[in-house]
Amino acid sequence: DTGVSQNPRHKITKRGQNVTFRCDPISEHNRLYWYRQTLGQGPEFLTYFQNEAQLEKSRLLSDRFSAERPKGSFSTLEIQRTEQGDSAMYLCASSSPRGPTLYEQYFGPGTRLTVT
Amino acid sequence: AQSVTQLDSQVPVFEEAPVELRCNYSSSVSVYLFWYVQYPNQGLQLLLKYLSGSTLVKGINGFEAEFNKSQTSFHLRKPSVHISDTAEYFCAVSGSYNTDKLIFGTGTRLQVFP
Repeated sequence: DTGVSQNPRHKITKRGQNVTFRCDPISEHNRLYWYRQTLGQGPEFLTYFQNEAQLEKSRLLSDRFSAERPKGSFSTLEIQRTEQGDSAMYLCASSSPRGPTLYEQYFGPGTRLTVT
Repeated sequence: AQSVTQLDSQVPVFEEAPVELRCNYSSSVSVYLFWYVQYPNQGLQLLLKYLSGSTLVKGINGFEAEFNKSQTSFHLRKPSVHISDTAEYFCAVSGSYNTDKLIFGTGTRLQVFP
């Protein structure tokens, strides 16, 4: 078990550019979550997948944001036409729907996005 | 709608002293409660969780928390802190009818001084 991994760890982009982040969950976890964390705040829920199905999206997720999990394994989060307000830490988490770790979400190290 | 309030943004404490980090929640349904710790430039690590049963739950690193339904609280405690406990601590809630997303508080910065 290597834990949840996220790439890249840091991304600096210019306003208006598109960026894509990747999350690899723990292998046996079928649930995957994206959160956004800004400075001095707790993480805010963005979206959630069970296998390849995207089951919930936050109102925070504007039309410029899209997430996919095509084969129920890794997931990507894309932000189009980035704005300075998108600067944040993007966290990915995964969980298992059964067993002693039920309802426990395991977080990756995050991708820090800076939009200049 | 669910919400979490962490009343203290910062808690300074000396090493080996006890500490309590406060968390209150608001929910119209039964909830599951969690405490996470975040070290600088790292993701979140689960300290402990309350799902049901005993209201006193024990977690990793010597932390424990007590669920109080009447006061809608889930305070985190440690009898003796170490320098290495310096970090940001987040309380989170998820509804038992929608256990998929976590609602986090704004965090409490625990600063342990020698």
